[in-house]
Amino acid sequence: EAGVVQSPRYKIIEKKQPVAFWCNPISGHNTLYWYRQNLGQGPELLIRYENEEAVDDSQLPKDRFSAERLKGVDSTLKIQPAELGDSAVYLCASSSMGSTDTQYFGPGTRLTVL
Amino acid sequence: GENVEQHPSTLSVQEGDSAVIKCTYSDSASNYFPWYKQELGKRPQLIIDIRSNVGEKKDQRIAVTLNKTAKHFSLHITETQPEDSAVYFCAASPGMIKAAGNKLTFGGGTRVLVKP
Repeated sequence: EAGVVQSPRYKIIEKKQPVAFWCNPISGHNTLYWYRQNLGQGPELLIRYENEEAVDDSQLPKDRFSAERLKGVDSTLKIQPAELGDSAVYLCASSSMGSTDTQYFGPGTRLTVL
Repeated sequence: GENVEQHPSTLSVQEGDSAVIKCTYSDSASNYFPWYKQELGKRPQLIIDIRSNVGEKKDQRIAVTLNKTAKHFSLHITETQPEDSAVYFCAASPGMIKAAGNKLTFGGGTRVLVKP
């Protein structure tokens, strides 16, 4: 089966600019996660979707971050405006409710804010 | 919330030797413990996982043990090979409980270097 797809793979922007990341989960996976991974650290959950509903966004900095999963399939994570501290790898993962707990990760988008 | 501590942060072993990585967690509700391997610039990939109803699980050269009473779990890699060099992350989750959701809390990672 095809894995989790993310784009772009790399993004370099100036601070205060907006940026968006896209994720397409594994077909049939109704749970989608966005994580942020800072250099040398483990991933940290930003938001979790079950179908189109954001069921856990407690770690999402809502003043500048937003996410959507309108049709319960692919998802977009946006930052506006970006700050220097937002430089990180943004990982998307998906899993299948009613199956195992296993989360499958995408390759990530490496964001550099200058 | 859950807190996962992982040790050591770096581990250098000679090819053929064993490597052991240890993690502790804080939330007694956690019942699912996966281990991910992440090579430089690549996605985290699940290598093994264990659930709280099992004390040990083995898959070829990789094994994981779980002590729920002490709230710690460990990854054991035997007969290490250069391709085992990567960063390894442990994680803990309450599993598929709808209220808590399948939220993975990761440890800080262990950089493993296998010297030929």
